[in-house]
Amino acid sequence: GNSVTQMEGPVTLSEEAFLTINCTYTATGYPSLFWYVQYPGEGLQLLLKATKADDKGSNKGFEATYRKETTSFHLEKGSVQVSDSAVYFCALRLPFYSGAGSYQLTFGKGTKLSVIP
Amino acid sequence: GAGVSQSPRYKVAKRGQDVALRCDPISGHVSLFWYQQALGQGPEFLTYFQNEAQLDKSGLPSDRFFAERPEGSVSTLKIQRTQQEDSAVYLCASSYNLKGGQYFGPGTRLTVT
Repeated sequence: GNSVTQMEGPVTLSEEAFLTINCTYTATGYPSLFWYVQYPGEGLQLLLKATKADDKGSNKGFEATYRKETTSFHLEKGSVQVSDSAVYFCALRLPFYSGAGSYQLTFGKGTKLSVIP
Repeated sequence: GAGVSQSPRYKVAKRGQDVALRCDPISGHVSLFWYQQALGQGPEFLTYFQNEAQLDKSGLPSDRFFAERPEGSVSTLKIQRTQQEDSAVYLCASSYNLKGGQYFGPGTRLTVT
């Protein structure tokens, strides 16, 4: 079946440190890949996405590159801030030609990031 | 602008009670999704609506779970005879169409005692 595996948290970093959160996936075909972020007390927000191999999604200083050969979509940021403290979820969505279930998101378990001043 | 809203934000139910969770999607969004998020886990798909039609309910864990969207806008997720394993955050998401991004509400945290 389809699945997403993320590195386990929590991850604690000092402000301005480099961030990597690993994400790998298992899926048939060529899924779209997403990173969502959940700030405390808020709903999930789409952070970035990539729809095909070698695409790079980016937003708010975060980046992730769709690597088909390694089935990965690792999230990176060069210099984290305290305001980046949140839970980050990697997710996939099957291509629409996959038929039934191609619209639902399949999520990883989430990685909690805490950034300390 | 207005996002997806859900009510109540918190619900405590005694085992065996029925509950109803409401979702107000973004105006004009055709697609509506319900997900269940257990503690420490990622959200898991429950069901999907396109307008008022429920096209996929494969993720509903039992026949105690029922969802509706009678006029193609507001949706209600109903859980009958709640059990402790139903304790979770229930998330609603909407999108303009199937290819669009899904916008999530803040969720309803259900605790069954």
